[in-house]
Amino acid sequence: GENVEQHPSTLSVQEGDSAVIKCTYSDSASNYFPWYKQELGKRPQLIIDIRSNVGEKKDQRIAVTLNKTAKHFSLHITETQPEDSAVYFCAASPNDYKLSFGAGTTVTVRA
Amino acid sequence: NAGVTQTPKFQVLKTGQSMTLQCAQDMNHNSMYWYRQDPGMGLRLIYYSASEGTTDKGEVPNGYNVSRLNKREFSLRLESAAPSQTSVYFCASSEIRSGEQYFGPGTRLTVT
Repeated sequence: GENVEQHPSTLSVQEGDSAVIKCTYSDSASNYFPWYKQELGKRPQLIIDIRSNVGEKKDQRIAVTLNKTAKHFSLHITETQPEDSAVYFCAASPNDYKLSFGAGTTVTVRA
Repeated sequence: NAGVTQTPKFQVLKTGQSMTLQCAQDMNHNSMYWYRQDPGMGLRLIYYSASEGTTDKGEVPNGYNVSRLNKREFSLRLESAAPSQTSVYFCASSEIRSGEQYFGPGTRLTVT
């Protein structure tokens, strides 16, 4: 099955700086790559996703890039704010159903 | 709209006891999922139901059973709870081929 590795496991950034989280996947059939944000004690929520026919996607301060050849994708958060502090999960799937998640990255934005 | 709801919010079981976690969604979604979340391991798919009347195993199905009762409801049953099943359980739903999964608030289960 699919194996998703996510790095780093923790990330501390100064407010206003950028944060980058990287994920690799193993199954070349995967074609859907979402990112979820989970605040402390809350449920995961989708923040951005990308499909394999697209190399990059942006939504305001958040962007995701995908390199299918190397089987890796990354989340970029620019101009970080305190409300960006959370756990971020990447995931990969060959069919929209069987999402395989990474272990998560705890992002702390220092004021 | 309540979205995805789960009951109970918290549960403590003794080893060997059984229980059913309930999940319901009011978004008319076709697909529903059960995940468990453990520290340092992300979310792992237990079972999913791509559409009403179908269920399939995910990554960690052992020790669990599911029932897709109707389009709205998807339950998860632990027949004989074990300490290794101590976890936070999330239910989710999505529309077919839309990708985005909407999660419920979670159930924190402790097995002693």
